[in-house]
Amino acid sequence: GAVVSQHPSWVICKSGTSVKIECRSLDFQATTMFWYRQFPKQSLMLMATSNEGSKATYEQGVEKDKFLINHASLTLSTLTVTSAHPEDSSFYICSARAGWGDNTEAFFGQGTRLTVV
Amino acid sequence: AQSVSQHNHHVILSEAASLELGCNYSYGGTVNLFWYVQYPGQHLQLLLKYFSGDPLVKGIKGFEAEFIKSKFSFNLRKPSVQWSDTAEYFCAVNSNTGGFKTIFGAGTRLFVKA
Repeated sequence: GAVVSQHPSWVICKSGTSVKIECRSLDFQATTMFWYRQFPKQSLMLMATSNEGSKATYEQGVEKDKFLINHASLTLSTLTVTSAHPEDSSFYICSARAGWGDNTEAFFGQGTRLTVV
Repeated sequence: AQSVSQHNHHVILSEAASLELGCNYSYGGTVNLFWYVQYPGQHLQLLLKYFSGDPLVKGIKGFEAEFIKSKFSFNLRKPSVQWSDTAEYFCAVNSNTGGFKTIFGAGTRLFVKA
């Protein structure tokens, strides 16, 4: 099946610094990528949707200036958490979808655990 | 608004008991339905999916789910659970009317007693 890879798997950073998380579709071209965050013992909450070559669409309540998303190619999207603070500590998960048909599945990466100290 | 509702937040069963986890959705248009499992400390794994066709879908590890369009439901079932099924289960839905954003339910935490 299709593989989506995230890097890094985990990262610890100091408060006030920025962290970049990469999401790659390894064996298919992803027309759309989605970014989620998951707090401990909670569900996945959609943060934003990005289509290759265009600006990301953010869900209500998600700060676009804080969570910068770039989808520069059909196989790579990046999420940059700017000026990270401890409350941004979470599990960030991306998914990638190929094609535009109704029955196209999205594949999920393994997630990135961010800890801000 | 599009939403996914999972009825049970916590379920405790003994081994060999039967399992049914409820999932209802509120969506317009053509829907795709999924169940994912997340074992402790691990990432999401797809259990099964429904796009079209036979509303009874069989997935991995002996799980199945039934899509009942009239009830907007997609309940997950397993006839006999094992201790290794202890995990969190998420129902998820996307739709052509929602830009195929996959929306997740709150999750059901299943604990199977050995």
